[in-house]
Amino acid sequence: EVQLVESGGGLVKPGVSLRLSCAVSGLTFTNAWMAWVRQAPGKGLEWVGRIKSNTDGGTADYAAPGKGRFTISRDDSKNTLFLQMNSLKIEDTAVYYCMAGVEYWGQGALVTVSS
Amino acid sequence: EIVLTQSPDFQSVTPKEKVTITCRASQSIGKSLHWYQQKPDQSPKLIIKYASQSFSGVPSRFSGSGSGTDFTLTINSLEAEDAATYYCLQTSSLPRTFGQGTKVDIK
Repeated sequence: EVQLVESGGGLVKPGVSLRLSCAVSGLTFTNAWMAWVRQAPGKGLEWVGRIKSNTDGGTADYAAPGKGRFTISRDDSKNTLFLQMNSLKIEDTAVYYCMAGVEYWGQGALVTVSS
Repeated sequence: EIVLTQSPDFQSVTPKEKVTITCRASQSIGKSLHWYQQKPDQSPKLIIKYASQSFSGVPSRFSGSGSGTDFTLTINSLEAEDAATYYCLQTSSLPRTFGQGTKVDIK
């Protein structure tokens, strides 16, 4: 069974940093292209960014809202995906999901940015 | 950026009725279009990938069609458990984009 488990969410003040993790099991993580998607309260889904597998170059791409502030990385030795979020804004408040390929989603981690 | 426009935004349907949701892309995306179902307080789940490929464990009443710019998700004989919001996602180009969602309610 494929499982993706996010952690690291919480309540933070504007301007601070936060790092989310996504632990993956049940699939060959080293081959997986991984992504982060977020959903603001009561809103639709928004793609945050993705990282290729290391065998395909390991590069990351980002949607405009997170460019320059967010960094996606991976540790294949631990089957874990990361999202480093800096200079958080109130509008970054959302549930953050990790995705494996197009098939699998985690349960989500809530990030609330509020003063 | 490719814009995906779903229609309708909302649909109220009687059980056993057929449901059709469309997703139109602002430019051609081949078959790089995927459909997801999201129920309240749950994460999205894949139901159709690459426009028409079924996914393991998804009931056969769900089907997808289309290519290029126009895509359709069909639910044959709707069941009460299908009440959810449905989203399309394109993976043809960066940034990836989602449709705005279609909420399906059961009458």
